[in-house]
Amino acid sequence: EDKVVQSPLSLVVHEGDTVTLNCSYEVTNFRSLLWYKQEKKAPTFLFMLTSSGIEKKSGRLSSILDKKELFSILNITATQTGDSAIYLCAVVYGGSQGNLIFGKGTKLSVKP
Amino acid sequence: NAGVTQTPKFQVLKTGQSMTLQCAQDMNHEYMSWYRQDPGMGLRLIHYSVGAGITDQGEVPNGYNVSRSTTEDFPLRLLSAAPSQTSVYFCASSDRQGGHNEQFFGPGTRLTVL
Repeated sequence: EDKVVQSPLSLVVHEGDTVTLNCSYEVTNFRSLLWYKQEKKAPTFLFMLTSSGIEKKSGRLSSILDKKELFSILNITATQTGDSAIYLCAVVYGGSQGNLIFGKGTKLSVKP
Repeated sequence: NAGVTQTPKFQVLKTGQSMTLQCAQDMNHEYMSWYRQDPGMGLRLIHYSVGAGITDQGEVPNGYNVSRSTTEDFPLRLLSAAPSQTSVYFCASSDRQGGHNEQFFGPGTRLTVL
């Protein structure tokens, strides 16, 4: 069964901390991995990863993919209260247009 | 560009009622999809479309119908609502070249079925 597993499911940190969110997957014919941030409304796109070992970076957020070990991590440094959100990992797999499966998300709460 | 729009934002139905959730995008995206999001379950794909006239089932299609008569619109129909369909529904679109990559999401519709 194809699946995407995120950990932890929830996390509480204080401002200034660094956090690492995990996403592991088991799919047939992996194509890409996506990270989204969801605050109160719709998910917004963060990163798309297709190649192992190449770090994607945007400000304090960065992500990397390991296709051998079948996982990705999302790092957030110097966290701020505005980073509080649900972080979703999704994997595109399969042929033709591909299929998309989401993990259950990690709920991050950043306390002042 | 308005991006992806959804209506209504909120809806309360009684069991057995029917309704259509509207979704439209003005980015000329070929790929559109519907998800439902329930607490602790993440986003689950209901139906998707790779272009006008083409639709296919996702992970949880039962109880829902879709059609894609134009590139812009992708309505989701509930023929006979059930309490199990209480959820938040998101419509998304992406460029066909990217397939599922970088989907743009609508603001969501919160549906309650009594």
